[in-house]
Amino acid sequence: RKEVEQDPGPFNVPEGATVAFNCTYSNSASQSFFWYRQDCRKEPKLLMSVYSSGNEDGRFTAQLNRASQYISLLIRDSKLSDSATYLCVVNKTPGGSYIPTFGRGTSLIVHP
Amino acid sequence: EAGVAQSPRYKIIEKRQSVAFWCNPISGHATLYWYQQILGQGPKLLIQFQNNGVVDDSQLPKDRFSAERLKGVDSTLKIQPAKLEDSAVYLCASSLERTVYTGELFFGEGSRLTVL
Repeated sequence: RKEVEQDPGPFNVPEGATVAFNCTYSNSASQSFFWYRQDCRKEPKLLMSVYSSGNEDGRFTAQLNRASQYISLLIRDSKLSDSATYLCVVNKTPGGSYIPTFGRGTSLIVHP
Repeated sequence: EAGVAQSPRYKIIEKRQSVAFWCNPISGHATLYWYQQILGQGPKLLIQFQNNGVVDDSQLPKDRFSAERLKGVDSTLKIQPAKLEDSAVYLCASSLERTVYTGELFFGEGSRLTVL
């Protein structure tokens, strides 16, 4: 089983739609979680951290379910500019440091 | 503030040749990472440095890949000899590691390697 798993998609949605992505992780000792966004042929950039209580940033909502070992990202009112790959990142924490592990990413295409 | 600098941006070599990539992290960032991203996949960590010490290199193919971070600042990743499957984008990232919860990664634009 991969350490971080994501459905690669693509998710093809119209503007204004709500779309949700899930990501599962295998290491129950993982401590911190993030969503990164990667545009085509660009480097990944942090979208948002994922907190235990869930958190929201504008149209984006992230949730963490430790019991089931998954995190989610919800995008409301999708914009054309949201088209990108969304990467789930889980930090392993052996020996006091942390090692960021990426999923393969979920591709989102928002069409007019 | 200057971002993470990488060079070269593009490199085309034949199999069995060698190649080196250079990375200069954001000033003051203690942690430096090299990731390999093959087309259609997520970034795969090759090696992580904390200052000039190695935190993790479990996925680095040590028979052909090597990396160093002398003086705890810039870093070089070398591949010798290259194989076809090494064709990928090599991403360097750095972070100002405060706690496990706040270590945002800042990536360079990447070095795109094509092995023929």
